[in-house]
Amino acid sequence: QLQLQESGSGLVRPSQTLSLNCVVSGGSISTGGTSWTWIRQPPGKGLEWIGYIYHTGSTYYNPSLNRRATISIERSKNQFSLELTSVTAADTAVYYCARIWMADYFFDYWGQGALVTVSS
Amino acid sequence: DIQMTQSPSSLSASVGDSVTITCRASQTIGIYLNWYQQKPGKAPKLLIYTASSFHSGVPVRFSGSGSGADFTLTISSLQPEDFATYYCQQSYTTPYTFGQGTKLEI
Repeated sequence: QLQLQESGSGLVRPSQTLSLNCVVSGGSISTGGTSWTWIRQPPGKGLEWIGYIYHTGSTYYNPSLNRRATISIERSKNQFSLELTSVTAADTAVYYCARIWMADYFFDYWGQGALVTVSS
Repeated sequence: DIQMTQSPSSLSASVGDSVTITCRASQTIGIYLNWYQQKPGKAPKLLIYTASSFHSGVPVRFSGSGSGADFTLTISSLQPEDFATYYCQQSYTTPYTFGQGTKLEI
């Protein structure tokens, strides 16, 4: 059974960079036909897709983030990461990592989520 | 961006009832519509993909239908564990977008 686990900084100062990792276990991050994605959810609000990295390394981001997001993959550790620069209070959210099954583009496996608070 | 609008935003029902949640896209998205269930403090779980296909392990009381821009999620014979928030999501094109959610309450 595939499992994903987020980790990273829980408190980030305004204007700094948010960094999160997602370790994948029970399967390979290099499996063909898959991509790896980040989604966030501000407290009490809905879901926002951040971007994804294809297993080949190609990336796609939500333009609403104004090029502040970078997703990278580290195959040796079977993990992928998110960096979000120049954060503000509006970036406070639970951040989820998930897998995309690219045949039909659905998010089938999710991490449990990591709360990141942006505050001075 | 494709806007996804769910209705209603909240819904009260009882165990054993049948309920329907609708999701409308701002443009045609074919059948690229997925449904997720989220319980408080938990990650969303995939229920239905490509409008009407069941994800592994999802009870048959959940069903999805629709194509183009209008979709529905129906839950028949509600069970206590079904009270949660439900989201639709279009995977027709990036940026992938979600509906605002429908909270199903007792």
